[in-house]
Amino acid sequence: SAVISQKPSRDICQRGTSLTIQCQVDSQVTMMFWYRQQPGQSLTLIATANQGSEATYESGFVIDKFPISRPNLTFSTLTVSNMSPEDSSIYLCSVMNTEAFFGQGTRLTVV
Amino acid sequence: RKEVEQDPGPFNVPEGATVAFNCTYSNSASQSFFWYRQDCRKEPKLLMSVYSSGNEDGRFTAQLNRASQYISLLIRDSKLSDSATYLCVVPYSGNTPLVFGKGTRLSVIA
Repeated sequence: SAVISQKPSRDICQRGTSLTIQCQVDSQVTMMFWYRQQPGQSLTLIATANQGSEATYESGFVIDKFPISRPNLTFSTLTVSNMSPEDSSIYLCSVMNTEAFFGQGTRLTVV
Repeated sequence: RKEVEQDPGPFNVPEGATVAFNCTYSNSASQSFFWYRQDCRKEPKLLMSVYSSGNEDGRFTAQLNRASQYISLLIRDSKLSDSATYLCVVPYSGNTPLVFGKGTRLSVIA
């Protein structure tokens, strides 16, 4: 199993600002995943964070908007840049071995 | 194209009822399948994994039909605590990335 500590759990931000979300895992993992869950929707993969190389982004997501850091095998950050109300969502980090484990999520509201 | 489609919800059932959800997937090469449960304002948590034809765990049974590319989840003797959203999840490249269905919402009513 894996225990993931994600913070902040929620935030209300002004449009045009940026928010950095942190995830700490209790074990070393090669890949960490960042998801977005918009209201009433399922999880959509934003990017895969690899230690020692650039993150791999899914279609529709770009590094300038969602820069990711992966400084070591237990930690990653996702920044939501230049926020607009459309970025209001839940953001989740995840790791996988035989199953996927998730952080508690960050509920972001952009006003 | 990566697609996982689920029954539209919500399902409102009385306690003790049996309820079944279906999920179809588009990638015939997928080898493993998962049902996750997500409570309101919580992160998803694994309910069941399906690697062969099916899996059973207490009141929960998952079945896989590879020919028709669908997975089902059966819940017997529903409890109030079963109320949640159930997500069908299919990996599309080995174990990653995971593709999530939109979820089926279940409400068990006393």
